[in-house]
Amino acid sequence: AQSVTQLGSHVSVSEGALVLLRCNYSSSVPPYLFWYVQYPNQGLQLLLKYTSAATLVKGINGFEAEFKKSETSFHLTKPSAHMSDAAEYFCAVSGTGTASKLTFGTGTRLQVTL
Amino acid sequence: DTAVSQTPKYLVTQMGNDKSIKCEQNLGHDTMYWYKQDSKKFLKIMFSYNNKELIINETVPNRFSPKSPDKAHLNLHINSLELGDSAVYFCASSLGAGNEKLFFGSGTQLSVL
Repeated sequence: AQSVTQLGSHVSVSEGALVLLRCNYSSSVPPYLFWYVQYPNQGLQLLLKYTSAATLVKGINGFEAEFKKSETSFHLTKPSAHMSDAAEYFCAVSGTGTASKLTFGTGTRLQVTL
Repeated sequence: DTAVSQTPKYLVTQMGNDKSIKCEQNLGHDTMYWYKQDSKKFLKIMFSYNNKELIINETVPNRFSPKSPDKAHLNLHINSLELGDSAVYFCASSLGAGNEKLFFGSGTQLSVL
């Protein structure tokens, strides 16, 4: 079974500041890890995906995440926050194989202030 | 052209009614899903179909019945609606059952009064 824990349901940063959203995972098999973003009144969009090819994964909109097996973490970062980054961010995990399904974290709301 | 479209966007209904939500994807994907997002934003899978065949059926009351007439459509029918069914329901699709890049619709906000 797989699960993810997102630390902090709400994170507030100033525009231009570093964004750090935390995610820890638990998995009995090598995990596939994901970050999705949900803008208000919209469905989720994939930001980035880790599939064991490289530990540092670059995604869209300047976001990246680093897989750290020793810490069972997959934190999402962005060097400089923009107002348009304000959204809900979800970490997710799945096992390998067919019919595997994503298990989502509880989400972190990112607020960006001037 | 919307990739994953679901209708209606909002659904307000009384307890005990039966309602349906429709979903269509034009991406040529084989796999479709229904997810439920509760008021705390927690997102949980309900069902998944691959090429019209049910492959994931989570612990969901049997009042919920998915139907996939073809691989581009996955509808959700809910009988005898209850207050606790109020949530946002998201349809999603992926290339295959093992490909976890999901494309989501914009959601259907269901309010049961």
